[in-house]
Amino acid sequence: SQQGEEDPQALSIQEGENATMNCSYKTSINNLQWYRQNSGRGLVHLILIRSNEREKHSGRLRVTLDTSKKSSSLLITASRAADTASYFCATDNSWGKLQFGAGTQVVVTP
Amino acid sequence: NAGVTQTPKFQVLKTGQSMTLQCAQDMNHEYMSWYRQDPGMGLRLIHYSVGAGITDQGEVPNGYNVSRSTTEDFPLRLLSAAPSQTSVYFCASSYSIRGLGSPLHFGNGTRLTVT
Repeated sequence: SQQGEEDPQALSIQEGENATMNCSYKTSINNLQWYRQNSGRGLVHLILIRSNEREKHSGRLRVTLDTSKKSSSLLITASRAADTASYFCATDNSWGKLQFGAGTQVVVTP
Repeated sequence: NAGVTQTPKFQVLKTGQSMTLQCAQDMNHEYMSWYRQDPGMGLRLIHYSVGAGITDQGEVPNGYNVSRSTTEDFPLRLLSAAPSQTSVYFCASSYSIRGLGSPLHFGNGTRLTVT
């Protein structure tokens, strides 16, 4: 069973726009992580946010975590064509068992 | 530093055949894991290991075996392939699961088709 569920399933935006995707989960977590997957490749880690943190930034990425609502969001600002990828949230609620959602497919058009 | 290396990249098996998917990491990571990725289902954990000689089951372990005789290697064995095992398989490792968590490093995957 999936712990994290991303929303929307797919997102199409133009270069320069912001992209926001959300992740909801069901049980308490130790941390939540976001990953990117380019077509035909493995996942690449983007950001890890711990359960006692509310917001983290990394370059053009901003992640928020609301443990009371069991949700997280990933914002990509000033999107580029190179940001076209699938984005996954993963919840860590039992050491060694990181659970992934089904992902959000993001397409950024020039 | 090669990171996480998976071989082969592609494999076609007939139902009932067995095979081993190889995974090696050169980062001295304690933790290694295997996931399968199917359309619309995200990644599901098959087996994982927190160190040499220690393995445990994930969410979907049936039909797969693993062993961890060294820190570097974590092979996944399909005992008797079935069409339901057609998937993309990813090996991932991380420094440690102790403490406050650490990010996973993924290989580029093995695309397996069982006919």
